[in-house]
Amino acid sequence: ELKVEQNPLFLSMQEGKNYTIYCNYSTTSDRLYWYRQDPGKSLESLFVLLSNGAVKQEGRLMASLDTKARLSTLHITAAVHDLSATYFCAVDEYGGATNKLIFGTGTLLAVQP
Amino acid sequence: DSGVTQTPKHLITATGQRVTLRCSPRSGDLSVYWYQQSLDQGLQFLIQYYNGEERAKGNILERFSAQQFPDLHSELNLSSLELGDSALYFCASSASLQGPTEAFFGQGTRLTVV
Repeated sequence: ELKVEQNPLFLSMQEGKNYTIYCNYSTTSDRLYWYRQDPGKSLESLFVLLSNGAVKQEGRLMASLDTKARLSTLHITAAVHDLSATYFCAVDEYGGATNKLIFGTGTLLAVQP
Repeated sequence: DSGVTQTPKHLITATGQRVTLRCSPRSGDLSVYWYQQSLDQGLQFLIQYYNGEERAKGNILERFSAQQFPDLHSELNLSSLELGDSALYFCASSASLQGPTEAFFGQGTRLTVV
């Protein structure tokens, strides 16, 4: 059974600082996604990583995937308050007659002024 | 707007009751997924349908069932409701079983069981 773990679960950081969220998963997959969720809202797709070594950047966020280590990172550069949200990684469990996303525990990011 | 529509947005009901949550996927998407989000369990995969057929089951209780209709909309039926079933229920859709599972999520239905 695929397990997806994120750490930290909660991250309080000051504006202007850098930090990294880690996502580890237990079985082989070369497809990983990052989503953002604001309180009480839906999940918004941030990044789609589809191969070993994939790196995607959007604004102050950069995501990468190392399939050999079964690890993805979401790096935040010079955080701003607008980035406060919960971030989820999700691993694509696919093959045969099905495909589905298995989500990590989520990281609640609070950016303080 | 993801293009995935869920109704209702909010639902308050009593223990022991039965409710139906509805989901319309994005135009052209054949695959529908249901997820439950609660504070203690996080985002849990419940069930997947593809073009009307059940394809995968996750941590779905026997009291819960789902179906996908010929027009591709899906319904999640929750019966004999318990307080612990209170959660945010999301529907997501994706285009096919081949290629990346780029899932687009609806706004969710917040279920409160009292």
